[in-house]
Amino acid sequence: DAKTTQPNSMESNEEEPVHLPCNHSTISGTDYIHWYRQLPSQGPEYVIHGLTSNVNNRMASLAIAEDRKSSTLILHRATLRDAAVYYCIRKTSYDKVIFGPGTSLSVIP
Amino acid sequence: NAGVTQTPKFRILKIGQSMTLQCTQDMNHNYMYWYRQDPGMGLKLIYYSVGAGITDKGEVPNGYNVSRSTTEDFPLRLELAAPSQTSVYFCASSLRGEETQYFGPGTRLLVL
Repeated sequence: DAKTTQPNSMESNEEEPVHLPCNHSTISGTDYIHWYRQLPSQGPEYVIHGLTSNVNNRMASLAIAEDRKSSTLILHRATLRDAAVYYCIRKTSYDKVIFGPGTSLSVIP
Repeated sequence: NAGVTQTPKFRILKIGQSMTLQCTQDMNHNYMYWYRQDPGMGLKLIYYSVGAGITDKGEVPNGYNVSRSTTEDFPLRLELAAPSQTSVYFCASSLRGEETQYFGPGTRLLVL
């Protein structure tokens, strides 16, 4: 039970924004929302995380719904290097981390 | 900092053989994790540890054993290798459970 649901795949044109959705309707008040991505033949790498409010870093932005039942990872300008599988994860200090199948993002030149 | 290192990078085992996958982190992280990733699939948690001397099962622990005698090291042991254990194994660590996980480069294991 991944506890999150994401689309299997998405496509984006290069240099356009990408919005990757994640549903976590059973989230509890102490669950953080983490996003990781996995480039081909590499281990996953951290992208961003948040609890309640929207977050920005140099890689992406994370928009969290007011009821926290969904979130969206925003890549502001997709590059070919952003083609990867993106994982949305609920995480607490005491819970096991469950990775779902993620969203495979293709970037079209 | 080297981060999370894993050895070996690649290994071929015969059915029934044993081996230990090594994982070391130099970030003084309390939490460490072992995942496996089958081709075209997501990661599945095998075992994790919240500190030295403490380990717990993940989603798919059967056929594996772990130990955590130091903060830095978290080896994964396969006692009787089976073809179903052919996979890529990733080790990860985090300072606390809710914090960012840092992943190693992975060990590719082929059991024939």
